[in-house]
Amino acid sequence: DVKVTQSSRYLVKRTGEKVFLECVQDMDHENMFWYRQDPGLGLRLIYFSYDVKMKEKGDIPEGYSVSREKKERFSLILESASTNQTSMYLCATGGGQGYGYTFGSGTRLTVV
Amino acid sequence: DQQVKQNSPSLSVQEGRISILNCDYTNSMFDYFLWYKKYPAEGPTFLISISSIKDKNEDGRFTVFLNKSAKHLSLHIVPSQPGDSAVYFCAASAENQGGKLIFGQGTELSVKP
Repeated sequence: DVKVTQSSRYLVKRTGEKVFLECVQDMDHENMFWYRQDPGLGLRLIYFSYDVKMKEKGDIPEGYSVSREKKERFSLILESASTNQTSMYLCATGGGQGYGYTFGSGTRLTVV
Repeated sequence: DQQVKQNSPSLSVQEGRISILNCDYTNSMFDYFLWYKKYPAEGPTFLISISSIKDKNEDGRFTVFLNKSAKHLSLHIVPSQPGDSAVYFCAASAENQGGKLIFGQGTELSVKP
């Protein structure tokens, strides 16, 4: 069973803080993804990575960056947190076309 | 531009009856479709999928139907159970996009005892 672990379930941060969200997978998947979930908007792709040190922008990359130094770890960085980044953040890993994703449990981030 | 749309934000069904969740898409290159189920404070979990070469896939109480000409898919749950109450997301991918999943907005299903 593929496991995707997100480091925090709940986080409260102040406006302007730099925030790190960590995601680790224990399967040998190349593909990793960061989504945010907001009511009425579904799951929106922020960034994804198909290999170590490789990253691609998703649909809403503004205000975010990512890091993939090792295959199993994909980090999402909020350079300067703002209140409109309050959301549920979901990390996922996948085996490619024809396969679904496995998601982590999510991190509920509140920016005050 | 929303390539995958779930136009019903919510659906309420009586226990034992059929639940039908709908999803429309615009990209004719999509060739793989999935449904995910999400409980509050948890990540989405995979439910069922269908390839574009099929028009139906069944797994226990869950059946997904694909109508390529209408660019429409639906998830049928029969019989519905209170434990099915959750948010359901449909998703689609295209081989020329590297398998990246595009999700709909979600439909919140409530199954009442």
